[in-house]
Amino acid sequence: DAGITQSPRHKVTETGTPVTLRCHQTENHRYMYWYRQDPGHGLRLIHYSYGVKDTDKGEVSDGYSVSRSKTEDFLLTLESATSSQTSVYFCAISEDRAYGYTFGSGTRLTVV
Amino acid sequence: AQKVTQAQTEISVVEKEDVTLDCVYETRDTTYYLFWYKQPPSGELVFLIRRNSFDEQNEISGRYSWNFQKSTSSFNFTITASQVVDSAVYFCALSVFEGGSEKLVFGKGTKLTVNP
Repeated sequence: DAGITQSPRHKVTETGTPVTLRCHQTENHRYMYWYRQDPGHGLRLIHYSYGVKDTDKGEVSDGYSVSRSKTEDFLLTLESATSSQTSVYFCAISEDRAYGYTFGSGTRLTVV
Repeated sequence: AQKVTQAQTEISVVEKEDVTLDCVYETRDTTYYLFWYKQPPSGELVFLIRRNSFDEQNEISGRYSWNFQKSTSSFNFTITASQVVDSAVYFCALSVFEGGSEKLVFGKGTKLTVNP
């Protein structure tokens, strides 16, 4: 049991539609993160959360919003998907960086 | 700026060769953590090592070794006697405390191809 799951694993959506990705954890960790991975860019931080209802922007937050109403769930929403948001999205959790970070399996999102 | 640089975009070696992946970081923090992750073709991120800024001891784990040098802000990763299964993208990452929260900043990754 990895303690973190992402859903869906794959999604194809049309330009202009809203999309929500879910990250669920069973570890009760304080910190949760959303990254996107694109060729040549590595993983870039979109948004992060340091507690319930406490969220902030990362380096590539434009076009994305997040919510965390419960410790275990961190939702990433693309309000109006664009082709530039085609990417692989990873969620990560951490209680303390001294103990490291755990990553989900990723969500492959294609915007057509 | 809090930044990680992996200057080698792609490396190709023949099996049994030794290979070193470079990682240079920048941070204002005096306490920080460095990580290496492996991403095989299947796509998941596999944790390899964590090192804090107060521990400059080098580490060896089987064919893998890591050299941490604060004087040059580097945390290099060496694979000895490489194998085809080592083919993957390797990421170096830096954890800092910024804006009231911990954050993990990644380098762009080095794609390693080990040929038989």
